[in-house]
Amino acid sequence: SSELTQDPAVSVALGQTVRITCQGDSLRSYYASWYQQKPGQAPVLVIYGKNNRPSGIPDRFSGSSSGNTASLTITGAQAEDEADYYCNSRDSSGNHLGVFGGGTKLTVL
Amino acid sequence: EVQLVESGGGLVQPGGSLRLSCAASGFTFSSYAMSWVRQAPGKGLEWVSAISGSGGSTYYADSVKGRFTISRDNSKNTLYLQMNSLRAEDTAVYYCAKVAEGPDYYYYMDVWGKGTTVTVSS
Repeated sequence: SSELTQDPAVSVALGQTVRITCQGDSLRSYYASWYQQKPGQAPVLVIYGKNNRPSGIPDRFSGSSSGNTASLTITGAQAEDEADYYCNSRDSSGNHLGVFGGGTKLTVL
Repeated sequence: EVQLVESGGGLVQPGGSLRLSCAASGFTFSSYAMSWVRQAPGKGLEWVSAISGSGGSTYYADSVKGRFTISRDNSKNTLYLQMNSLRAEDTAVYYCAKVAEGPDYYYYMDVWGKGTTVTVSS
């Protein structure tokens, strides 16, 4: 079983705000990074560190963390945001990238 | 442009071996750790292995430890994954990713290749 827990599926109305969460003990001490994956494509980094976006990622994507929970928020979701989202962080063996959450399928209605 | 291109995937019988390669361009390869991540059909992402920029430190998921070996040739800007004793459950798309480090001692994978498919079946 994954050391990072995500809801399997979340939906949001077009233009509304959605929060995708990731829970795990390692998140009390280490940041999560977030990846977007569309069908048939490689993952793309969307959030890293405290709340950093790579160049080219829209500012409607933001990250936050509290206790053992990291969150990815999309403010004003667009149709093109429909995708699978994965969190990643350090695992219990000490590997910094060692564990992914199970993924959340985001549907934009 | 930063680019990663994987190759070497294919069909292999259980118990067989395969070597994946990842050709890097557009950045100073030796300055960055690299990682392999895989995705079984219809499943989520699974971290497989990582290697430091110098190649002196390697890390593995428990599921592949003792069977897979990660390595790199910085003179060729190429990352490798030697996979031995392959099992059906190793069937997946294998991605290589460039690892970046943040100022507060955290890591993330900022560039990904398109992946190469490994199928383990008789």
